[in-house]
Amino acid sequence: GNSVTQMEGPVTLSEEAFLTINCTYTATGYPSLFWYVQYPGEGLQLLLKATKADDKGSNKGFEATYRKETTSFHLEKGSVQVSDSAVYFCALVITGTASKLTFGTGTRLQVTL
Amino acid sequence: NAGVTQTPKFQVLKTGQSMTLQCAQDMNHEYMSWYRQDPGMGLRLIHYSVGAGITDQGEVPNGYNVSRSTTEDFPLRLLSAAPSQTSVYFCASRGPRGYTFGSGTRLTVV
Repeated sequence: GNSVTQMEGPVTLSEEAFLTINCTYTATGYPSLFWYVQYPGEGLQLLLKATKADDKGSNKGFEATYRKETTSFHLEKGSVQVSDSAVYFCALVITGTASKLTFGTGTRLQVTL
Repeated sequence: NAGVTQTPKFQVLKTGQSMTLQCAQDMNHEYMSWYRQDPGMGLRLIHYSVGAGITDQGEVPNGYNVSRSTTEDFPLRLLSAAPSQTSVYFCASRGPRGYTFGSGTRLTVV
């Protein structure tokens, strides 16, 4: 089956620190990969995506590169802000299937001044 | 604003009670789905629909029913609530630009 594994949280960083949240996956077909963000009390919002190997998704200073050889899609940001505090979910969907997203368990990020 | 609307935002039920979580979207998306979010488990798919009149089970369907009589609406029914169904429920639709999630329903079963 399909699965997504994320690093355990919570992750606590000082403002302007470098962020990495690890994500690895297993898939029975050819996946598209996503990072979603959930701010407190809200639903999930798409942060970035990549649909094929070596693609780099980017948005709001966040980046992730689709690494087929290591089955990974790690999320990075060079300088985090307090406003980045949220829960981050890695997810995949198999291309050509009935659009079923498979999520990781989520990683809570807390950024302090 | 176009999007996915879920009601209610909060609900407390007693064990054995029934209720319907409402989900509506105004983007004419064919695909809609329900997820539950539990601590340490991420989001798990309950049921999904690829169009009006068509529904199918996801990863954790037991205890839940769905129907899709229109493109816009995809209600989730709990026929006899159990404490194990205490969770946050998210409805999502998918269109050409990807998924849109509702803001969630926090359900507590006591």
